[in-house]
Amino acid sequence: GAGVSQSPSNKVTEKGKDVELRCDPISGHTALYWYRQSLGQGLEFLIYFQGNSAPDKSGLPSDRFSAERTGGSVSTLTIQRTQQEDSAVYLCASSFRRPDYNEQFFGPGTRLTVL
Amino acid sequence: EDQVTQSPEALRLQEGESSSLNCSYTVSGLRGLFWYRQDPGKGPEFLFTLYSAGEEKEKERLKATLTKKESFLHITAPKPEDSATYLCAVQLKAAGNKLTFGGGTRVLVKP
Repeated sequence: GAGVSQSPSNKVTEKGKDVELRCDPISGHTALYWYRQSLGQGLEFLIYFQGNSAPDKSGLPSDRFSAERTGGSVSTLTIQRTQQEDSAVYLCASSFRRPDYNEQFFGPGTRLTVL
Repeated sequence: EDQVTQSPEALRLQEGESSSLNCSYTVSGLRGLFWYRQDPGKGPEFLFTLYSAGEEKEKERLKATLTKKESFLHITAPKPEDSATYLCAVQLKAAGNKLTFGGGTRVLVKP
């Protein structure tokens, strides 16, 4: 079956511009996660959506970052007024919400470069 | 503070030379420990979940074990295609489903 898909695969933008990154989770998965992977910081949690519950935004690094999930499926991560330190690979993952089976499956990521 | 530390940072092996990767954790209320494999330019690929001390899981040349303070990923008779970065992550009972990752171990298996 289809895995998690993300678009675009690469994004180059200029400092100060806004960017939108898209994630399509695995069909049937109720939970969706965004992570960021950068050379100096490793893989860091950003935000988590579970069904209709309020998202866990505890990992968002600043108010320039926001995310939404429409119809319990597709999610968009938006970064406003991008800075060079936002350059990283942004990874999306999805999972079931079951105590005995909640492995997260990752997409290929979007590589963001801010010039 | 919850911490996940992987060692070594990098490992160079000859084909067939077995070895182990370590993931030590200092957390409150572990729900599960996850191992992932990541190839360059790709997202992490799920390998194993371990839930309780003493648990072991195997897949081909890989075997993961868990104690109350650490997990090991044993690679038996590795092949060049086992070259990748191996990531461990913990999921905490009080932190929803988010994962906290270690820094990873880069493994290179030379023929």
